[in-house]
Amino acid sequence: GAGVSQTPSNKVTEKGKYVELRCDPISGHTALYWYRQSLGQGPEFLIYFQGTGAADDSGLPNDRFFAVRPEGSVSTLKIQRTERGDSAVYLCASSPMTYGVGGELFFGEGSRLTVL
Amino acid sequence: AQKITQTQPGMFVQEKEAVTLDCTYDTSDQSYGLFWYKQPSSGEMIFLIYQGSYDEQNATEGRYSLNFQKARKSANLVISASQLGDSAMYFCAMREGPDTGRRALTFGSGTRLQVQP
Repeated sequence: GAGVSQTPSNKVTEKGKYVELRCDPISGHTALYWYRQSLGQGPEFLIYFQGTGAADDSGLPNDRFFAVRPEGSVSTLKIQRTERGDSAVYLCASSPMTYGVGGELFFGEGSRLTVL
Repeated sequence: AQKITQTQPGMFVQEKEAVTLDCTYDTSDQSYGLFWYKQPSSGEMIFLIYQGSYDEQNATEGRYSLNFQKARKSANLVISASQLGDSAMYFCAMREGPDTGRRALTFGSGTRLQVQP
């Protein structure tokens, strides 16, 4: 399929462990976004990449969260010392580079993280 | 202040009827974009419709239309001829002006729509 791919679809971990979530965007999309969605809530912005660089990381909640996109395609969201409050669905989205305010985001199906 | 407010946590509509999902937004920018997404129980976010702040006509996409009232800062989604498959969460979102340097969309808390046969 040509859509945004996220792995794993489900991850269960123990409090204090390290977790990596992977996102493979649509080919050719230069913009990549990570969101977090808690149960019954709307997606909450975490970080935005334009190419390889993080253009906006204002949504990262603390320094336990980090994301990389070394070659401007696949991105990995890394969470250190996980806490129960990190349990959520982590959504990745991509889009072509656009200017102005238009241009929708294309979302993956998300990675559900459960911290026990 | 909340950037996007969706005041209806849940809505019911009879099949084949029309339904309006409310969305108000808060921005001081003159240029901004408004988006609606659908999220079925399977979890994927599906883009429905877009309205730019300078667009003079309300956006329409098939059975979806956006009732854009700029002075009231509202961007309500209207779904005509509801179908059982329309049952889902619906999110309103905004992208503020390019001068902010912010490309990410800000989402509301959503409205759960249930279509009854």
